[in-house]
Amino acid sequence: DQQVKQNSPSLSVQEGRISILNCDYTNSMFDYFLWYKKYPAEGPTFLISISSIKDKNEDGRFTVFLNKSAKHLSLHIVPSQPGDSAVYFCAASARDGNNRKLIWGLGTSLAVNP
Amino acid sequence: EAEVAQSPRYKITEKSQAVAFWCDPISGHATLYWYRQILGQGPELLVQFQDESVVDDSQLPKDRFSAERLKGVDSTLKIQPAELGDSAMYLCASSLGRDTPLHFGNGTRLTVT
Repeated sequence: DQQVKQNSPSLSVQEGRISILNCDYTNSMFDYFLWYKKYPAEGPTFLISISSIKDKNEDGRFTVFLNKSAKHLSLHIVPSQPGDSAVYFCAASARDGNNRKLIWGLGTSLAVNP
Repeated sequence: EAEVAQSPRYKITEKSQAVAFWCDPISGHATLYWYRQILGQGPELLVQFQDESVVDDSQLPKDRFSAERLKGVDSTLKIQPAELGDSAMYLCASSLGRDTPLHFGNGTRLTVT
């Protein structure tokens, strides 16, 4: 059972417009969320994170929104650039004793068209 | 920016052979992870180390996979014997602590023939 769901396998956006990538989760114990970007043949690159005590975190062109009541988070990229074309993974974690375990979504492939 | 180093980048091996992957985390990162990623899926945690100790290996197929981090710095993941289903990208990641982001290496692409 997928605890972290990225329901859109792919997304296509025009350069300069906003890209919105969505992520839903089922475990109410998740309190730390991250977004990663992955290019082919490379490891995932950390983009931005958000703690459950916040509802928004912004870093340059990237903003993550968290709606705890809906168990939903989204990544906004404004403006989108062709170099943003990659697979984006949402990940969530909860405390497990002294440890944390990341649960990953299946990813959304973003294509930004010039 | 410091990086997680992994080698080799690519490995082709025949089934039933042994294979090993190496990872050097970012200096000062106490937590080290080995993940496996199959195309079209998210990374799957195999093993997590805190310094030299294993804190989670619940998803590691221990009949054929082993991992060590003897001095709490670099780490080796071994598969013996390799099976066709082991073909995947093997990713190493490290983090400063449990509430900080993971930083990944570029992985080892394993093909078992």
